[in-house]
Amino acid sequence: DIQMTQSPSSLSASVGDRVTITCRASQGISSYLAWFQQKPGEAPKSLIYGASTLQSGVPSKFSGSGSGTEFTLTISGLQPEDFATYYCQQYIYYPLTFGGGTKVEI
Amino acid sequence: EVQLAESGGGLVQPGGSLRLSCAASGFSFYNYWMTWVRQAPGKGLEWVANIKEDGNEKYYMDSVKGRFTISRDNAKNSVYLQVNSLRAEDTAVYYCARLGRKDYGWLPPDSWGRGVLLTVSS
Repeated sequence: DIQMTQSPSSLSASVGDRVTITCRASQGISSYLAWFQQKPGEAPKSLIYGASTLQSGVPSKFSGSGSGTEFTLTISGLQPEDFATYYCQQYIYYPLTFGGGTKVEI
Repeated sequence: EVQLAESGGGLVQPGGSLRLSCAASGFSFYNYWMTWVRQAPGKGLEWVANIKEDGNEKYYMDSVKGRFTISRDNAKNSVYLQVNSLRAEDTAVYYCARLGRKDYGWLPPDSWGRGVLLTVSS
């Protein structure tokens, strides 16, 4: 199985900050990488697929990059509604696997 | 508007069975792969199963193979997860989601239900 490792597991930031989350795959996954946002008590929300393609309706302050084994999610101009847990997922090989999550806190 | 509504969760004893349902609306259900993803209390997301548009391809995570069965009824716009031989570690919120559409295959989820809680305990 492909292991997805996110770092950091949590981070503290302030409104207006730019934050970057890293996701590493245990083997190459080309660009088959997705990002999700989840707030407490809510269902996940899909942000990005194909490592860098925004899902419909997702604001451009979210951006993704990378290929192979290393990927990043960047959030520019952090707003109160962006404080949440973010997950990456590889979807090239079964079983599909998620990273452990990164909690973005104030 | 895409809507996905899970139901059928509850408290089940170890070794028991249950069927989770997900009713879809607002899109052409028969054109989309569907998936189940779960989340144990306080833990991260875990993929469970995928099913193709016509139900002829199904994929499962290793720990549920032989115990869980994903199925769909395109006439009823519904996807199901039959869960058998339940264990305490199956306790989780189970989300159904629509996989994104592309010419061949599928893309990651683009719409999610609110989830349903399954608790396995004596």
